[in-house]
Amino acid sequence: AQSVTQLDSQVPVFEEAPVELRCNYSSSVSVYLFWYVQYPNQGLQLLLKYLSGSTLVKGINGFEAEFNKSQTSFHLRKPSVHISDTAEYFCAVSGGYNKLIFGAGTRLAVHP
Amino acid sequence: NAGVMQNPRHLVRRRGQEARLRCSPMKGHSHVYWYRQLPEEGLKFMVYLQKENIIDESGMPKERFSAEFPKEGPSILRIQQVVRGDSAAYFCASSQREGVDEKLFFGSGTQLSVL
Repeated sequence: AQSVTQLDSQVPVFEEAPVELRCNYSSSVSVYLFWYVQYPNQGLQLLLKYLSGSTLVKGINGFEAEFNKSQTSFHLRKPSVHISDTAEYFCAVSGGYNKLIFGAGTRLAVHP
Repeated sequence: NAGVMQNPRHLVRRRGQEARLRCSPMKGHSHVYWYRQLPEEGLKFMVYLQKENIIDESGMPKERFSAEFPKEGPSILRIQQVVRGDSAAYFCASSQREGVDEKLFFGSGTQLSVL
């Protein structure tokens, strides 16, 4: 069975500081991994995804993530955050086609 | 090109009533997915439908919940005899084709509150 664990429920950070949101997964089949962002009162938007190839994946809004098979991790990073990055971030693994298994989410709060 | 449209945005029901949630996928999309988000939790898959077919309903509760995606019109998630535990945000997503590399577009959700 596949599962996703997001290790931090909340991450406070100051504007222009770097941030890392942690995600560990468990999967017995081919691994396809995703990061989504949810702004207040909105649906989820895809930030980036790993399907195959390079383990460093670049996404929108300056985010990137690294797939680490040996550590079963897919951590999300941004070198310098902005106030507008304040949102909830979800890591997900594919359970086949577009059936996604989501983590519980990490609330990123960027302070001035 | 409008995105995935869900309505209503907020739905209040008393225990025992029926709730009907609607989802119009993006134009040209024939694959629809319903997810439920309980407070402080991530989204949980409920059901995957293509036009007139239920492909995977492994995440649907066995009773009171049903979904359809008719040939014409929106997809409907129906909850009969709602209980307080059904209070959640229900999200619909659509894609043009099946496949993990197909981009999934989410609606803004329907917040169901059961009194």
